[in-house]
Formats: sequence, C-alpha cells, structure tokens
Amino acid sequence: DIQLTQSPSSLSASVGDRVTITCRASQNLGSWLAWYQHVPPKAPKSLIYSASGLQSGAPSRFSGSGSGTDFTLTISSLQPEDFGTYYCQQYQSYPFTFGGGTRVEFK
Amino acid sequence: EVQLVESGGGFVQPGGSLRLSCVGSGFAFGSHDMTWVRQAPGRGLEWVSTISGSSIPHYADSVKGRFTISRDNSKNIMSLQMNSPGADDSAVYYCAAGCFGCPFDFWGQGTVVTVSS
Repeated sequence: DIQLTQSPSSLSASVGDRVTITCRASQNLGSWLAWYQHVPPKAPKSLIYSASGLQSGAPSRFSGSGSGTDFTLTISSLQPEDFGTYYCQQYQSYPFTFGGGTRVEFK
Repeated sequence: EVQLVESGGGFVQPGGSLRLSCVGSGFAFGSHDMTWVRQAPGRGLEWVSTISGSSIPHYADSVKGRFTISRDNSKNIMSLQMNSPGADDSAVYYCAAGCFGCPFDFWGQGTVVTVSS
C-alpha cells in the first residue's frame, strides 16, 4: 500500500499568513494526488486535483505543487474560513490512501 | 446543484448488519465512480470502498469480506452493506463521487454508524 506522510501534523497561523503543508509518498505517484479541507461536521471539500489543478469553486489562494513523491499545498494568505484539517490523498492505485492530516488553527 | 445524501446510519450491535445508502443528483451518476470514506472519532479520513460506473468494486483490507458495495444507476443510488461490524467500524461514513481517474470531487454530509452492544 502507498503511505502518505503529511507535515506538520498541526500548525498555528494568523490571518494573512502564508501556509505550506507537505505530503510525502512512499512510491512515485506521478501527479495522482489530491488535497481536501475538512471542517467537521461539514463534508470534506476538494481543493486540488492532479497535484496542482485548482478544483472548481476552490479559492485561488490555494495552490498545489509537486510530482513523484513530494507534494505541497500552499495557502497564500490565510483567511478565517480556512481553519480545519487538510488531507492529501493518492488515487494512483488501490487501496486509495489519505495522509494523516494537518490541523490548521488560528493564533 | 450536485447533491449526495447518505442515509441508513445508526446503532448496530457487534456482529450485526447495517445498510448505508447514498443518493446522488445534479450530475451524471452512472459515469462517476462512487466511494465511501469514513472518519472514526479522533481519527483522520480513511478510504473504505469504491465502485466504478460499471460496478467493479474495490475494498480496503480492513473491510474486505465483511462489507459489500453496490449501485443502481437507474435510481442514482449507491449502497454499502455492512456485515459483522466491530467497534473499529464506528465512524462517520461519507459518500463521495468522482469521474473515472479523478479524485473525490463531490461529498455528502455523512451518516453516523455506532457499533456497540
């Protein structure tokens, strides 16, 4: 199975800060990686597909980069509605897997 | 507007059975892969099962042999039959949809399953 390791596991930041979350895969994923935001009890929300594609409806302050085994999600200017937990997910091969999550909190 | 609505959650005894359903609308249901993802209390998201538009199923090892995913494209319904659940299966179960080769573009609000005696 493909393992995804996210870092950091949590972070505190202020409104307007630039935030970067990394995801490392145990195997080469090409660009078969997605990013999601989850604020329970709401449904998870898709942000990024194919490592760098901005999902329709996702704010442009979110961007993704990387390929192969190292990927990054960047929030260019953190907004109050961006708190929650962010997950990377590989969909290159079954079983699909998620990273452990990065919890974003406000200072 | 795309909508995914889950139902069927509730309390179930260990070793019992429960059937979850997800109804989709606002998109081409039959051409999308449909997926169940769960989140146990205090844990992260976990992929459970996916069924392709042509009804080919895939399962996580943790549920293989106990859970069965199915779909009825004529009714825009996907189901998850949960047999012999254990305490580790207690979670919020989310329904998600994505085109073939896509991630999970659309998500439902989730249904809660509690396995307890």
